[in-house]
Amino acid sequence: DAMVIQNPRYQVTQFGKPVTLSCSQTLNHNVMYWYQQKSSQAPKLLFHYYDKDFNNEADTPDNFQSRRPNTSFCFLDIRSPGLGDAAMYLCATSRGEIQETQYFGPGTRLLVL
Amino acid sequence: EDKVVQSPLSLVVHEGDTVTLNCSYEVTNFRSLLWYKQEKKAPTFLFMLTSSGIEKKSGRLSSILDKKELSSILNITATQTGDSAIYLCARTSYGKLTFGQGTILTVHP
Repeated sequence: DAMVIQNPRYQVTQFGKPVTLSCSQTLNHNVMYWYQQKSSQAPKLLFHYYDKDFNNEADTPDNFQSRRPNTSFCFLDIRSPGLGDAAMYLCATSRGEIQETQYFGPGTRLLVL
Repeated sequence: EDKVVQSPLSLVVHEGDTVTLNCSYEVTNFRSLLWYKQEKKAPTFLFMLTSSGIEKKSGRLSSILDKKELSSILNITATQTGDSAIYLCARTSYGKLTFGQGTILTVHP
């Protein structure tokens, strides 16, 4: 089935140790998004790619970076995770910015020790 | 910043009850309003609403948008324990989703 896949589902890292989260999609959607969701809060958009065009939210910390090497894959890099970065990280895709229904992957839960 | 406000923040009902969840939004660059259901995993898509007054239905769930009142409601009839979840609404503006804080629905047997 076409879907949005995130790996790993759970990630444990150490304070300050770089970590990469992965998202892939078989929907052939143009837009891919990364959200951060902390406990009991709504998802917060970090950035999104429209094709290769990167769009960063103004309040996304510099510690968070993203790469999209091709249509199917998008990565979230956290250069120096802090305890406050522990959260669920959600990847979503949409066909375009006009066709705006976003379909979410299962998420990666990040724990920072 | 564009705001989306949901009410109530939490709701506890018994199986068979009907519930109405509310979502209000600010109008700037409004494109559409989305409803999602989130259990202990990623949000799953329920409805996208773009036109005022047209009800969308899926089984026991229905939703409608009122652009005049800048609001939307999500109705769930004959609730079941499997409806227990966080219900999120989000407004879209050219690719950006702004979520409300969610309504936590708990359905007791």
